[in-house]
Amino acid sequence: QKEVEQDPGPLSVPEGAIVSLNCTYSNSAFQYFMWYRQYSRKGPELLMYTYSSGNKEDGRFTAQVDKSSKYISLFIRDSQPSDSATYLCAMSLDLRDDKIIFGKGTRLHILP
Amino acid sequence: DVKVTQSSRYLVKRTGEKVFLECVQDMDHENMFWYRQDPGLGLRLIYFSYDVKMKEKGDIPEGYSVSREKKERFSLILESASTNQTSMYLCASTLVGASYNEQFFGPGTRLTVL
Repeated sequence: QKEVEQDPGPLSVPEGAIVSLNCTYSNSAFQYFMWYRQYSRKGPELLMYTYSSGNKEDGRFTAQVDKSSKYISLFIRDSQPSDSATYLCAMSLDLRDDKIIFGKGTRLHILP
Repeated sequence: DVKVTQSSRYLVKRTGEKVFLECVQDMDHENMFWYRQDPGLGLRLIYFSYDVKMKEKGDIPEGYSVSREKKERFSLILESASTNQTSMYLCASTLVGASYNEQFFGPGTRLTVL
């Protein structure tokens, strides 16, 4: 079983729709959960960061962590064409952990 | 503003050539990383460095070496490039002791080995 599983997509949705992106993981010791966004021909950049279980909201973005199910989600409300990118989930054991485990990324297309 | 730069955006090399990929960060970060990113395989860690002259192998170090002579610069070396090393190479850095371990990425170098 891979450590982090993420559907590669592509996922195409119409502008204005709610987007749901998900990852599952196998290591119950992960405590820090991140979502990175990567535009075409650019490096990934951190979008959302959560610690342990629960929800975190930032504008149109909501990150959700369910540690009991080993499942994390990123929701995008009122999706815009500028949200078209690859979204990578990532996680680590603790702050001293030098290595972050990344999912393979989901390609998202928002259709105008 | 946080910045990680990579020496080339696109590079074309021939099989057997020695290839140097350079990464520089201006944030005084201790940790630096080299990844390669391939379709269907995601980001894979090649090497990382937690201090000057210190290095650790990542998940796929074979065929690569690294050098970190100065804190701000981390170089990836392909001793004898092969076609299976054609990939997007991404450099990243993190600050030790930050409130969360965000990795800051460079723009990437797309390397083609012919």
